[in-house]
Amino acid sequence: QVQLQESGPGLVKPSQTLSLTCTVSGGSISSGSYYWSWIRQPAGKGLEWIGRIYTSGSTNYNPSLKSRVTISVDTSKNQFSLKLSSVTAADTAVYYCAREADYFDYWGQGTLVTVSS
Amino acid sequence: EIVMTQSPATLSVSPGERATLSCRASQSVSSNLAWYQQKPGQAPRLLIYGASTRATGIPARFSGSGSGTEFTLTISSLQSEDFAVYYCQQYNNWPPEYTFGQGTKLEIK
Repeated sequence: QVQLQESGPGLVKPSQTLSLTCTVSGGSISSGSYYWSWIRQPAGKGLEWIGRIYTSGSTNYNPSLKSRVTISVDTSKNQFSLKLSSVTAADTAVYYCAREADYFDYWGQGTLVTVSS
Repeated sequence: EIVMTQSPATLSVSPGERATLSCRASQSVSSNLAWYQQKPGQAPRLLIYGASTRATGIPARFSGSGSGTEFTLTISSLQSEDFAVYYCQQYNNWPPEYTFGQGTKLEIK
């Protein structure tokens, strides 16, 4: 069974860069025709897709965040990562990583990132 | 951007009764629609994809229907564990710009 686990700082200062890593276990990140996505959810609100990566390194991003987002993959570590630059309080949310085949069939438990000085 | 609108925002139903949740897309998404269930403090769980195909391990009381712009999630006989927030998600764009509905909270009447 595939499992995903997010990790990274829970507190980021405004204007700095948010960095998270998702570690995949129970299978190789390179197996199958899957993309690997990041999704976020502000407290009490809905879900927002941030972007995705294929193990070849090919990426797609949400146009509303594209200028600030970078997603990368490290197949040797079975991990993929998210960087979101120039953060503000509006970027405070629970961040999820997920396996994607257009829809999201496996999710991490989520990690709360708070943007505050 | 394809906007997904769910209704109602909150649905109050008694255990054992049927619940019907709606999702509308601002333009056709064919059958490229998924439904998720989210309980407090948990990640969303995939229920339905392709508008009507149940994900692995999802009970038969969950069913999805619709195509184009109008979709429905039906829970035939509500169990206590079904009270949660439900989201729809479209995956019809290229390049992908996946969008979710704002959610329907299913609460106990």
